[in-house]
Amino acid sequence: QSALTQPASVSGSPGQSITLSCTGTSTDIGAHNYVSWYQQHPGKAPKVIIYDVSNRPSGVSNRFSGSKSGNTASLTISGLQADDEADYYCSSYTSTTTYIFGSGTKVTV
Amino acid sequence: EVQLVDSGGGLVEPGGSLRLSCAASGFTFSNAWMGWVRQAPGKGLEWVGRVKREIDGATTDYITPVKGRFTVSRDDSKNTLYLQMSSLKSEDTAVYFCVKVGSYAEFDFWGQGTVVTVSS
Repeated sequence: QSALTQPASVSGSPGQSITLSCTGTSTDIGAHNYVSWYQQHPGKAPKVIIYDVSNRPSGVSNRFSGSKSGNTASLTISGLQADDEADYYCSSYTSTTTYIFGSGTKVTV
Repeated sequence: EVQLVDSGGGLVEPGGSLRLSCAASGFTFSNAWMGWVRQAPGKGLEWVGRVKREIDGATTDYITPVKGRFTVSRDDSKNTLYLQMSSLKSEDTAVYFCVKVGSYAEFDFWGQGTVVTVSS
């Protein structure tokens, strides 16, 4: 199964808002709400920032928000900060009880 | 505090075998679905495999390229997750992360990663 489709890169200025997309199919993103997003800084392990499409784990800034429409999920980062510069990956559970990641988006501030 | 400590990586020749371990603490290991995610050099994340709880039959699932070569297992008495890898190929070269699977199929905690290099 191919990776979920994400734009390779997105950039924005400090204080701006940006939206990252994640496109899948009816057998993954479109099948249920088990969509999550991860932030990965260079040389570090990824960290979950959104789960169940739009929920934030404790301690994650409310500047991060998620949504979904059909087979596409989105992550919005508002009030862009320098520390938001990182790689972002979406992930979805699938109808075959496996998991799939997106191709990743490099965010530049 | 939840901790996942990955170990066992190293350099192995093509066709060889390696076993990775993940020592877990800070949560009830036996109640958690656990898995492995890898990241090839300069590439994105790739889910590898997952094992459910013993009470769920310890059922496993894998990504297609590793089926029949990799085995995810758990020892709840030792709070440890394993990834047995055999018939290794150069394309298996990656950092391997142990992950805990949350209630909404998210990977809510990650190990620090262990490097596997398959090369002659």
